[in-house]
Amino acid sequence: GESVGLHLPTLSVQEGDNSIINCAYSNSASDYFIWYKQESGKGPQFIIDIRSNMDKRQGQRVTVLLNKTVKHLSLQIAATQPGDSAVYFCAEKRVSGGSNYKLTFGKGTLLTVNP
Amino acid sequence: DAMVIQNPRYQVTQFGKPVTLSCSQTLNHNVMYWYQQKSSQAPKLLFHYYDKDFNNEADTPDNFQSRRPNTSFCFLDIRSPGLGDAAMYLCATSRDQTVEQFFGPGTRLTVL
Repeated sequence: GESVGLHLPTLSVQEGDNSIINCAYSNSASDYFIWYKQESGKGPQFIIDIRSNMDKRQGQRVTVLLNKTVKHLSLQIAATQPGDSAVYFCAEKRVSGGSNYKLTFGKGTLLTVNP
Repeated sequence: DAMVIQNPRYQVTQFGKPVTLSCSQTLNHNVMYWYQQKSSQAPKLLFHYYDKDFNNEADTPDNFQSRRPNTSFCFLDIRSPGLGDAAMYLCATSRDQTVEQFFGPGTRLTVL
């Protein structure tokens, strides 16, 4: 079964506010955690990843935080814009037989940005 | 622009009638993936090709097969679609097995 899950299925924010999307995981052996964004009618799009030996990583308007103590991952979006409206998936990179790896996606959070 | 292309975008088939979904890429990536995504759910990996090596997920039904005739193309064959196979099918690519995968827009399959 899935070991990556999200606390909230939906999140609604005002344009310009900061957004925080949370994710819990159970597999301590994962070496990477990743955030993907999926807009309506499109395939998922890579946003940012974080290696398991890091606590924080910043990108353009996004920050990912990893708390290994409580097995928690979050995605922070600064100054949220209408174009940020999408479903956000956290994912983990896991071994999938031999030397192969795969991504296991969590359930997703729908972010709605209100103008 | 380099991209992942899926055809058709919408596919309707009848219960039990074989169907093939197509994926092509111009990224020259050596790994290609097929995911199944049901409504309001996360993408679920069915299988992937690492170069010419086929890697099936343990819980992927035998009803699902794949072919990769060359680097650019990959096909998903559903031998006898059931109503439960109605879903969005996503193709993705990556260079080796990096965490950044590039997804196509998906093919939405309807089974009547």
